[in-house]
Amino acid sequence: RKEVEQDPGPFNVPEGATVAFNCTYSNSASQSFFWYRQDCRKEPKLLMSVYSSGNEDGRFTAQLNRASQYISLLIRDSKLSDSATYLCVVSNTGNQFYFGTGTSLTVIP
Amino acid sequence: DGGITQSPKYLFRKEGQNVTLSCEQNLNHDAMYWYRQDPGQGLRLIYYSQIVNDFQKGDIAEGYSVSREKKESFPLTVTSAQKNPTAFYLCASDGRGYNSPLHFGNGTRLTVT
Repeated sequence: RKEVEQDPGPFNVPEGATVAFNCTYSNSASQSFFWYRQDCRKEPKLLMSVYSSGNEDGRFTAQLNRASQYISLLIRDSKLSDSATYLCVVSNTGNQFYFGTGTSLTVIP
Repeated sequence: DGGITQSPKYLFRKEGQNVTLSCEQNLNHDAMYWYRQDPGQGLRLIYYSQIVNDFQKGDIAEGYSVSREKKESFPLTVTSAQKNPTAFYLCASDGRGYNSPLHFGNGTRLTVT
């Protein structure tokens, strides 16, 4: 079983739509959780960390559900510039990082 | 500004040649990592180092070598023993604190023909 699993998509949504991605992880001892954004042929960039109580950054909301071992990312009022691949990243106490394969999002005018 | 610098951005080599990818960071991070990304695939860990003069193999270390003589530098050598070296190589570092994220360099795209 993979450490981290994501639906690869693609998700094609119209501008202004709300879209949500989920990511499941297998190690219940995982400690830290992140969402990264990766544009085509570029490096991943940190979008936001995910905290136990959930957190919001503008149009982006991240949630963690430890009981069910998943994290989610909600994007409201999608913009064309949100088109990218979103990577779920989980780390454990040994500073080992595990990556999902990414979810592709295309926002359509 | 602090960050991670990878060079070169694009690299072309003939099969059978060794090639070294540079990674330098000025974030004062102890831990550094090398990942490989193939089209449509996730990142796979090649090597990592948690402290100077120490490094560990990742999931796909065969055909690669690293050194960590300085905190700031973690070069990766792709040897001729690596069967499929053409890929996007990403160097990263992290501060090793709780909830400390990975910071990535801008990557080196290696093409071997």
